Amino acid sequence: NAGVTQTPKFRVLKTGQSMTLLCAQDMNHEYMYWYRQDPGMGLRLIHYSVGEGTTAKGEVPDGYNVSRLKKQNFLLGLESAAPSQTSVYFCASSYSKRGGYNEQFFGPGTRLTVL
Amino acid sequence: KQEVTQIPAALSVPEGENLVLNCSFTDSAIYNLQWFRQDPGKGLTSLLLIQSSQREQTSGRLNASLDKSSGRSTLYIAASQPGDSATYLCAVGATNKLIFGTGTLLAVQP
Repeated sequence: NAGVTQTPKFRVLKTGQSMTLLCAQDMNHEYMYWYRQDPGMGLRLIHYSVGEGTTAKGEVPDGYNVSRLKKQNFLLGLESAAPSQTSVYFCASSYSKRGGYNEQFFGPGTRLTVL
Repeated sequence: KQEVTQIPAALSVPEGENLVLNCSFTDSAIYNLQWFRQDPGKGLTSLLLIQSSQREQTSGRLNASLDKSSGRSTLYIAASQPGDSATYLCAVGATNKLIFGTGTLLAVQP
């Protein structure tokens, strides 16, 4: 199993450009998540999905959109990139579990720089 | 609002020492607590997951404990090795999300 994979690994954008980050998992997990990691602030949840066709906002959703058209894929979009979105983006997935959730598995990350 | 704190932010020890990393959280209503390792420029690797009903979990040289009532967890690393050098993150489980601490950067000197 490949686990959780992310595409691309690195990207440089100019302010105002758009892009989509792709996350794929082959573990048949119901739940998927997008986080961003910034120095001194830890990882913060952007959006998440509890199943195919569903999405929900996390802690820092502004400026991002997501889609979960297939169970194995979770896409993160930036419609108009801003320098404040320079960060490392991590995708994660987990099984569903009533009353909580199971262990989260993380992808290798995408390093995004917005000039 | 749940807040997760890890102290110290950085730690340097000689090879072979046993060490303890600390994690504290402000709200005891958690589902579980997860410890991760992150190598520079890499993703997160899950080390141990402790459910809220459990007191500890062990994996090899690692032992994690959880005390919900005091809002604390510790990660014990026995007989540390240079290969253990990394950032260690704890995260508490709330509904549909993890809340992360900012990590402890561990350096094990040969």
